[in-house]
Amino acid sequence: AIQMTQSPSSLSASVGDRVTITCRASQGIRNDLGWYQQKPGKAPKLLIYAASSLQSGVPSRFSGSGSGTDFTLTISSLQPEDFATYYCLQDYNYPLTFGPGTKVDI
Amino acid sequence: EVQLVESGGGLIQPGGSLRLSCAASGFTVSSNYMSWVRQAPGKGLEWVSVIYSGGSTYYADSVKGRFTISRDNSKNTLYLQMNSLRAEDTAVYYCARVDRLRDYSLDYWGQGTLVTVSS
Repeated sequence: AIQMTQSPSSLSASVGDRVTITCRASQGIRNDLGWYQQKPGKAPKLLIYAASSLQSGVPSRFSGSGSGTDFTLTISSLQPEDFATYYCLQDYNYPLTFGPGTKVDI
Repeated sequence: EVQLVESGGGLIQPGGSLRLSCAASGFTVSSNYMSWVRQAPGKGLEWVSVIYSGGSTYYADSVKGRFTISRDNSKNTLYLQMNSLRAEDTAVYYCARVDRLRDYSLDYWGQGTLVTVSS
């Protein structure tokens, strides 16, 4: 199975900050990667698909980049509603695998 | 409006069986790929299974041979039959729709149903 790692595991930031989260795959996965946001007690929400495509309805402050093994999620100006845990997910092959998550808090 | 509503979770003894349901509205389950994802308390997300529109299925190694994904087209409902349950299967179980047009991402999720395996 493809292993996904994320860094950092957690970070503290302030409203207005630029935040970058990285995700690395144990083997090349083309651009078959998505980013998901999860708030406590809620289901995950799709933010980015195909590494860099913004899901409909998601604010443009979210962006993704990368291909192969290294990927990045960037929040250009952190808003209060962005404090959450972020997961990457490779959908290149089965079993699908999530990264361990990055918790973004104040 | 697309909606997914899971049910069927609860407290079950180790070795027992449980069937989760995911009732869909706003789209047709049989025309889509559908997945189950779980999350143990305080832990990260773990993909569990997928069923293709054509009926093919895939499973995580941790549940292979014990869990079965299926659907009832007449009820527009997805299922997860869970047998030989273990303590480590304790989790919130989410169903999700797979968007084949958007890189097979999981675009809609249910609210989750909690399964607790304990004696």
